[in-house]
Amino acid sequence: GENVEQHPSTLSVQEGDSAVIKCTYSDSASNYFPWYKQELGKGPQLIIDIRSNVGEKKDQRIAVTLNKTAKHFSLHITETQPEDSAVYFCAPRPPGANNLFFGTGTRLTVIP
Amino acid sequence: DTEVTQTPKHLVMGMTNKKSLKCEQHMGHRAMYWYKQKAKKPPELMFVYSYEKLSINESVPSRFSPECPNSSLLNLHLHALQPEDSALYLCASSQVGRRPNTGELFFGEGSRLTVL
Repeated sequence: GENVEQHPSTLSVQEGDSAVIKCTYSDSASNYFPWYKQELGKGPQLIIDIRSNVGEKKDQRIAVTLNKTAKHFSLHITETQPEDSAVYFCAPRPPGANNLFFGTGTRLTVIP
Repeated sequence: DTEVTQTPKHLVMGMTNKKSLKCEQHMGHRAMYWYKQKAKKPPELMFVYSYEKLSINESVPSRFSPECPNSSLLNLHLHALQPEDSALYLCASSQVGRRPNTGELFFGEGSRLTVL
């Protein structure tokens, strides 16, 4: 199966600073690259995704960049706010697969 | 309505008990999933149902028995569990084979299971 690693595993930033989380995957056939956010006591929720024909996608304060050659993609959060504190999971997926296998997770803490 | 509802939110059971976790969605999704999540770990896929038929079983022990009685409901029947089965059980749903398929999984808030 896909080997998916995230770095760092924990990240603390001051409110207003930027945060970057990297996801490295092994299956070169993967063509769908989502990021999920899991707040305490809740299930994961999709926050942004990108497909392999696009190198970057932005949605307000969050963005995802993809490097297919190097097999990694990153989540960028700018102007972080306390409500961004959560665990973030990447879940790269090959074509034809409807299920998701999650990365190792990154716990982000935004310090007010 | 973009909601997946799971009941109960909390469940405590003994190793000899039989209980069930329930999941319901009304988004017209034809794929439904069970995931297991231990503390400080990512969700682990257990089962996938597609068009009410079991399509993936990730080598889950038979003490976990899934059931999909219709396109809106997904159950997980529990019997003779072990303390190490204590975890958060998450249900999710998604579209199947429709264009455009967003690929998004919609998760419920989970059922927290404690096995004594």
